[in-house]
Amino acid sequence: SAVISQKPSRDICQRGTSLTIQCQVDSQVTMMFWYRQQPGQSLTLIATANQGSEATYESGFVIDKFPISRPNLTFSTLTVSNMSPEDSSIYLCSVQLAIYGYTFGSGTRLTVV
Amino acid sequence: EDQVTQSPEALRLQEGESSSLNCSYTVSGLRGLFWYRQDPGKGPEFLFTLYSAGEEKEKERLKATLTKKESFLHITAPKPEDSATYLCAVQGWNNAGNMLTFGGGTRLMVKP
Repeated sequence: SAVISQKPSRDICQRGTSLTIQCQVDSQVTMMFWYRQQPGQSLTLIATANQGSEATYESGFVIDKFPISRPNLTFSTLTVSNMSPEDSSIYLCSVQLAIYGYTFGSGTRLTVV
Repeated sequence: EDQVTQSPEALRLQEGESSSLNCSYTVSGLRGLFWYRQDPGKGPEFLFTLYSAGEEKEKERLKATLTKKESFLHITAPKPEDSATYLCAVQGWNNAGNMLTFGGGTRLMVKP
C-alpha cells in the first residue's frame, strides 16, 4: 500500500500563529484528503485536494482558515491559520489508491497554547 | 447527508471473550464500507472493505459482515494486543468526488 509521511509529527504553537503540515506520498495519487480528529473524537473531513485545482472544503471549514496547496501528485500541505486553543487536534493526511483503498498518515498532533 | 453510528462507544473484554462491534449507517448509494483500527498516537490502519449486503471478510481474529443498514466487526477470542479504537466509515459522494464519513469509533480494551 501507499506510504505517507507527515511532518511535523507534533507541535506546540502559540495562539494567533500559523502551522503548515506537510504530506508526502510514495506514489502518484489524484486525490488527497485532510482530516481533523479532535480529542476523543472521530475523524472529520476538512477538504479534498486534487492536483491542479482548488481544494474542495467541507461544511464548516474555509480556505482562509485552512489553506491547502497541492503542487504535484505526491505532495500536499495544510496550513492551520491564526490558531486558537480550539484548533488543538490531530490532523491527518489520506490518499486513495484504486487497489488499496484509503491510506492514512500517522498524523500531526497540534497543541495550541 | 451520510451518517455513521458505532456502538458501543467503549467495550471491555477479558482475553478470550468474543464479542461484536456495531456500525449502523445511512448513505445515499453505498460505494463501500470500511473498517479501520487506530492505536493511540497513530493514523487509522486499514482492516476491511465491504461493498454489498451479505459480504463477509476475515483477518485473523476479526470478521466483518455487512447488511443493508449495518455492519458488524466480530472479534473471536481476543488478545490484549487487539486493544485499540475501531473505526467504521462509509464511502459516499461530495463535490470533489468521493469521501469517507466516519463513525465515532469503539474503544476496545482486552484484559489479560
